[in-house]
Amino acid sequence: DAKTTQPNSMESNEEEPVHLPCNHSTISGTDYIHWYRQLPSQGPEYVIHGLTSNVNNRMASLAIAEDRKSSTLILHRATLRDAAVYYCIPSNSGGSNYKLTFGKGTLLTVNP
Amino acid sequence: NAGVTQTPKFRILKIGQSMTLQCAQDMNHNYMYWYRQDPGMGLKLIYYSVGAGITDKGEVPNGYNVSRSTTEDFPLRLELAAPSQTSVYFCASSPPPQNTGEAFFGQGTRLTVV
Repeated sequence: DAKTTQPNSMESNEEEPVHLPCNHSTISGTDYIHWYRQLPSQGPEYVIHGLTSNVNNRMASLAIAEDRKSSTLILHRATLRDAAVYYCIPSNSGGSNYKLTFGKGTLLTVNP
Repeated sequence: NAGVTQTPKFRILKIGQSMTLQCAQDMNHNYMYWYRQDPGMGLKLIYYSVGAGITDKGEVPNGYNVSRSTTEDFPLRLELAAPSQTSVYFCASSPPPQNTGEAFFGQGTRLTVV
């Protein structure tokens, strides 16, 4: 399983963009990169995932480095509701060993 | 939309008792997972399954057992409960990453062993 390195914590102001980095230098060529977040006292929720190309959805954007050893989750305008722990999770491409293993994540604080 | 349903939501067990945490999903997902989350900590994978009849150990399987006789259900069995198993347990299911890849989580079961 690929190892990840994320900052323990980050801080942002409301309505400003947030760039959450993740280093996954041991990722293999077919590993997907998933991002989940966990709001206080709730279960995790899916944010976005991708393989090689940058991805956008209604929640966020995912920028994947060309060598795939790192990625950045971009929240375009942080809101108070975005305060959560954000997890970057590499996974293989499916099959008999596909699983999602959470690391320690980044605690994002959003200031009003 | 039911999604992933976990029962019970809360439970208090005495040391040495056993129980089964139920998890059911109605999205026809092949992949299912059980996690535990201790206070102030991250999620640890207990067991996972890639389809009916197939299960495998995660990071912290000791003290637990699972079965996957159907696509929909993935119960987690605790035998001989210990205080160290006090935790919040989350069940999740997902399609393959080539599809939407989005895992859905249940609301959690808060278990206390006294």
